[in-house]
Amino acid sequence: EIVLTQSPGTLSLSPGERGTLSCRASQSVSSNYLAWYQQKPGQAPRLLIYGASRRATGIPDRFSGSGSGTDFTLTISRLEPEDFALYFCQQYVSPPNTFGQGTKLEIK
Amino acid sequence: EVQLVESVGGLVQPGGSLRLSCAASGFTFSDYAMSWVRQAPGKGLEWVSGISGNGQNTYYADSVKGRFTISRDNSKNTLFLQMNSLRAEDTAVYYCARNSGLVAYWGQGTLVTVSS
Repeated sequence: EIVLTQSPGTLSLSPGERGTLSCRASQSVSSNYLAWYQQKPGQAPRLLIYGASRRATGIPDRFSGSGSGTDFTLTISRLEPEDFALYFCQQYVSPPNTFGQGTKLEIK
Repeated sequence: EVQLVESVGGLVQPGGSLRLSCAASGFTFSDYAMSWVRQAPGKGLEWVSGISGNGQNTYYADSVKGRFTISRDNSKNTLFLQMNSLRAEDTAVYYCARNSGLVAYWGQGTLVTVSS
């Protein structure tokens, strides 16, 4: 089973700043089958990034993903008020398709 | 429009059973693997189980293996999760999801509480 570790646990930033979230895998994620999701309170997760760097349909270009192997990053170039939420990474190489424990992005 | 609607969860005693269902619409159900993902209160996401489009292949997280059974009825566009021997740690919102890995479509979630 691939274990994903996200850091930091909580990230406190101001609107307009750049946010950088990390996801590290316990073993290489083949074919970069790594996704990022955003979740707001009381809502289901929303797919942001797949294939490590491809934006899902309708996702603003301020969201970008990068990385390969075991180290991946989600970057939000200029934070908007609606971006403050929980973020999860997920590997979908093969079942069990594990998630990271999440990063809470909060307003400073 | 893709829609996934889970059945109502509920309160179950430890050791009890519950069957969740998920009605799918807006896509050709049998073309897609499906899965269940859960989220304990205030916690992260946990992939629980997945099933192939034709129902022949099933997958489970170690935490539920031997207790939960995933199945589907492609004639009725419905996904199921039979949960037996429920424990307090199974308390969570359970999401139905299209695909077994990468998920672009989620249900609204249904709360299952295991408590005496």
